[in-house]
Amino acid sequence: TQLLEQSPQFLSIQEGENLTVYCNSSSVFSSLQWYRQEPGEGPVLLVTVVTGGEVKKLKRLTFQFGDARKDSSLHITAAQPGDTGLYLCAGATSGTYKYIFGTGTRLKVLA
Amino acid sequence: NAGVTQTPKFQVLKTGQSMTLQCAQDMNHEYMSWYRQDPGMGLRLIHYSVGAGITDQGEVPNGYNVSRSTTEDFPLRLLSAAPSQTSVYFCASSYWGDRGEQYFGPGTRLTVT
Repeated sequence: TQLLEQSPQFLSIQEGENLTVYCNSSSVFSSLQWYRQEPGEGPVLLVTVVTGGEVKKLKRLTFQFGDARKDSSLHITAAQPGDTGLYLCAGATSGTYKYIFGTGTRLKVLA
Repeated sequence: NAGVTQTPKFQVLKTGQSMTLQCAQDMNHEYMSWYRQDPGMGLRLIHYSVGAGITDQGEVPNGYNVSRSTTEDFPLRLLSAAPSQTSVYFCASSYWGDRGEQYFGPGTRLTVT
């Protein structure tokens, strides 16, 4: 069974702090996505990374795909209360359309 | 565009009852999928479809049935509801391919008593 392990599971920080969330697997992914989900809603796509070593920036969020395409990280600079939510990574191995999701990182940013 | 719509938003069933969760998208996406989300378990893939007339099983397909007669619609049927199927169900769609840029519906919260 393919697994995507996310760490940490929970994170509570003060506004202005930096944080990094990790997504790790023993499988190679053709692409990897990061989503954010708010209570009572469906996940919303933040970014897709495709190439090993790729780095993408979305305002204060920086996403990196590992060189071997087995892992990814999400770094948030100067977190704000609006960043609060459940962050999920997801991916599918090459040639399949069976996406698997990580168990998520629940982030709370305190004002 | 309405995006991905799901009905109903909430549903309570008794054990053994059957029902269909509806999902529709207006983005002409080839790929559609159903997930369930349980506390501490993330999202798990139930069934997916890469186009009209083509469906396949995901990670947790038992107790669920799907069909894809049109590009727009992808209903999920619970054949005989069980308490273990209490969950939040999400439908998603994306362009065909493995980049996985899925668009999710708002979810259906199902309780089986």
